[in-house]
Amino acid sequence: DTGVSQDPRHKITKRGQNVTFRCDPISEHNRLYWYRQTLGQGPEFLTYFQNEAQLEKSRLLSDRFSAERPKGSFSTLEIQRTEQGDSAMYLCASLMRGADRNEQFFGPGTRLTVL
Amino acid sequence: GNSVTQMEGPVTLSEEAFLTINCTYTATGYPSLFWYVQYPGEGLQLLLKATKADDKGSNKGFEATYRKETTSFHLEKGSVQVSDSAVYFCALSVSNQGGKLIFGQGTELSVKP
Repeated sequence: DTGVSQDPRHKITKRGQNVTFRCDPISEHNRLYWYRQTLGQGPEFLTYFQNEAQLEKSRLLSDRFSAERPKGSFSTLEIQRTEQGDSAMYLCASLMRGADRNEQFFGPGTRLTVL
Repeated sequence: GNSVTQMEGPVTLSEEAFLTINCTYTATGYPSLFWYVQYPGEGLQLLLKATKADDKGSNKGFEATYRKETTSFHLEKGSVQVSDSAVYFCALSVSNQGGKLIFGQGTELSVKP
C-alpha cells in the first residue's frame, strides 16, 4: 500500500479550458473525499463518495465541476471552462468507514494554475 | 453550521520554547476533533485526534484536550524543535454528516535554532 496518489501534481491551463484530475485512494478504503485549498487557507470540502455513490456536494461545487468514482475505486474531478478563481490545490483523501481510527489519509494534491 | 477558528500565524519560536496554538469550534451534533500538520512540500498528515469530551490526543510530544465546556482543542508542546516548523490545521468532523472535515485556516509555525 503506497497511500493516496493524485495525478497530475501540477497543471497549468488557460482560462476556458477543461481539466481533469485523478485520485487513487488506499485500496481498501470505501470513502473518498475531495477538498480545495487556496493559499493561506485551510482545505474546504467539495464532495465525497462512499464506494461509487456520490453522497454530498458542497455549495462550492458549481455546475462546472463534476466528480465521479466508477466502480468505487479511483475518482476523477473535472472542471469545465476553468476560471482564474479555480486556481488552488485540489486534495483527495480516503477513509475506511467504520475503522477505529476514522482517519482520513490525504494525497499530495494537484496544484492548478489558471492563466 | 460547523466551523473552526484557530489563532493566526505566523508563530515564531526559539527551539525548546513552549508552544500553544489555540483552536475553538462550533458544531451541530457531536464532533470529533483533529490536528493535521503540513510540513513544507508534503501533504497533510494527521497529528492527533480526540473523539469525545475530555479526551486527550497526543503524538510526537504534542497534546490537545477536547474541552466541550469551552468548545476548544488547543495544541500544546512543551519543547519545540526546528523540525516542528510546519503549518498546523485544526479540524472537526461529525460522523452523521458524512465525516467530512471542516478545517481552520491554519497556523504557520517557524522554530529558530
